[in-house]
Amino acid sequence: RKEVEQDPGPFNVPEGATVAFNCTYSNSASQSFFWYRQDCRKEPKLLMSVYSSGNEDGRFTAQLNRASQYISLLIRDSKLSDSATYLCVVNMYGNQFYFGTGTSLTVIP
Amino acid sequence: DAGVTQSPTHLIKTRGQHVTLRCSPISGHKSVSWYQQVLGQGPQFIFQYYEKEERGRGNFPDRFSARQFPNYSSELNVNALLLGDSALYLCASSPTGGSYGYTFGSGTRLTVV
Repeated sequence: RKEVEQDPGPFNVPEGATVAFNCTYSNSASQSFFWYRQDCRKEPKLLMSVYSSGNEDGRFTAQLNRASQYISLLIRDSKLSDSATYLCVVNMYGNQFYFGTGTSLTVIP
Repeated sequence: DAGVTQSPTHLIKTRGQHVTLRCSPISGHKSVSWYQQVLGQGPQFIFQYYEKEERGRGNFPDRFSARQFPNYSSELNVNALLLGDSALYLCASSPTGGSYGYTFGSGTRLTVV
């Protein structure tokens, strides 16, 4: 079993749509969680941390369910500029980051 | 302020050769991690260093090694290169051990022919 699993997509959604990505992780002792965004042939960039109580940053909402070992990212009112690959990242085994495969999102005009 | 810088940006090597990749973290960051990203996959954890000590190693063969210097810069070394080592190698730095996320460099694209 992979440490972090994501649906690779692709997700193709129209502008203005709401889209959700999910991710599961294997280590119940994991302490911190993140979503990163990666544009084509660029490095990953931190989108947001994921907190136990859930957190929101503008159009983006992240949720954590420790009991189910599951995190999610919701994007509301999708923009063309949101087109990218979204990577779920879990900090395991003492500050070692494990990435999911990434979920590809294309927002269509 | 300079971000995480990696050199070289691109590299072509022949099977069996050795390669050294370099990384300078953001000023004040004491933790450096290395990742390998092959096309279509997420980055795979290779090493983490904090305060010049190895704190973690991913599932990579012994051909891969790394070190961190007193100024917190780091090198990743790969011996006896295989075609399958062709990938984007990413370095990331953090002020602590990564609890608040890592900042990535733009990577070194290694092609083994």
